[in-house]
Formats: sequence, C-alpha cells, structure tokens
Amino acid sequence: DIQMTQSPSSLSASVGDRVTITCRAGQSISSFLNWYQQRPGRAPELLIYAASSFQSGVPSRFSGSGSGTDFTLTITSLQPEDFATYYCQQSYSTPWTFGQGTKVEIK
Amino acid sequence: QVQLQESGPGLVKPSQTLSLTCTVSGGSISSGSYYWNWIRQPAGKGLEWIGRFYTSGSTDYNPSLKSRVTISVDTSKNQFSLKLNSVTAADTAVYYCAREGAHLNYAMDVWGQGTTVTVSS
Repeated sequence: DIQMTQSPSSLSASVGDRVTITCRAGQSISSFLNWYQQRPGRAPELLIYAASSFQSGVPSRFSGSGSGTDFTLTITSLQPEDFATYYCQQSYSTPWTFGQGTKVEIK
Repeated sequence: QVQLQESGPGLVKPSQTLSLTCTVSGGSISSGSYYWNWIRQPAGKGLEWIGRFYTSGSTDYNPSLKSRVTISVDTSKNQFSLKLNSVTAADTAVYYCAREGAHLNYAMDVWGQGTTVTVSS
C-alpha cells in the first residue's frame, strides 16, 4: 500500500488568510493525487484531481501543485465555508489510500 | 446530474454480514468509463477505501478487507452493493458509495451522503 502523509494535522487560520497543506506519498505517484474537502457531517467533495486540475464548480482560490511524492493544496483568502477537513488521496495504484486529514479551524 | 444514495440496516450484530446498497440516479451505472466504489469512515477518523466495481465486471478490494468483502452490481436496478461478512465493532463506521472517473485520473467525483452502520449486539 502507498502511504500518504499530510501535514499539518490541524491548523488555525483567519478569514482572508492563505493556507497551505502538504501531502507526501511513500513512493512516486506521478500526478495521481486528488484533494477532497469534508465539512462536518457531510460526505467528502472532490476539489482537485490529477494534482492540479480543478473539479467543476470549485472556487479559484483553491489550487494544487506537485508531482512525484510531494504535493500541496493552497487556499488563498480563506472563506468561512472553507473551514473543514481536507484529505489527499492517491489514485496511482490500488488500494487507494488517503492522508490522515488536515483540519482547518477558525482562529 | 448523477446522484448516489446508500441504504441498508443501521445496526448489525457481531459476526453477521453487513449489507448495503447504493442506488444511482440521473445516469446509468453501465455507461461511461466509471468505477463504483465503497469507502468508510469511523467516527472522528479518516477515510478507508473498501473496494470498487467496474462495469466490465472486474473488482478491486482493499487487501485488508478482501477476505470479507464482496461488491456486486445490479444493472437492472441501477444499483451496486457491498457485503462485508464476519463484522466486529471495528467495522462500525459511516459507509459511503462514490463514483470514480477514469477521465479524472481515477478521482471520486460523486459521493453519496453516507450511511451509519453500528456493529453491536
């Protein structure tokens, strides 16, 4: 299995802040990296696929980058609805695996 | 617009079989290059991929659960199902079904709302 490690596990930020979340794969996964947002009590929602491609309807303040083993999700100008938990997931080889999640909380 | 909805018992006794169904609406389960997945999430914890079914008939399972899992499809009802046998308290979780697109680098773009399953006597 490919291990996915996110950092930090949680962070506190204010509305308008720039936030960066990192995801590291245990081996090279090319660009087969996806990001999801999960609000409390809700199902995950796809934000970014293939490391940097926007899912339809996702605000442009979200962006993804990286390839190989190191990836980043950036949220510019954090909005109230962005306070949630974010997961990375590799789709390079099954079993699909997720990072442990990064909880973005209000400062 | 495709939507997914999970259904099934919310309470299962230890050692019995957990059975869930995901109903697909707004599109055919047989069309396109899509895989149909099950994922679970214990309360307060992260996401665990259980397995997936492809319309060609092939399946992939998480090796950690493979001996206990079966995913199948009923195209006439536009549904796919999960069976997990010999359950224990460790199988208590919210279970999600999700669609995965080959054109999305195999990302999961449509999710059901999730259904909570508790394993308890």
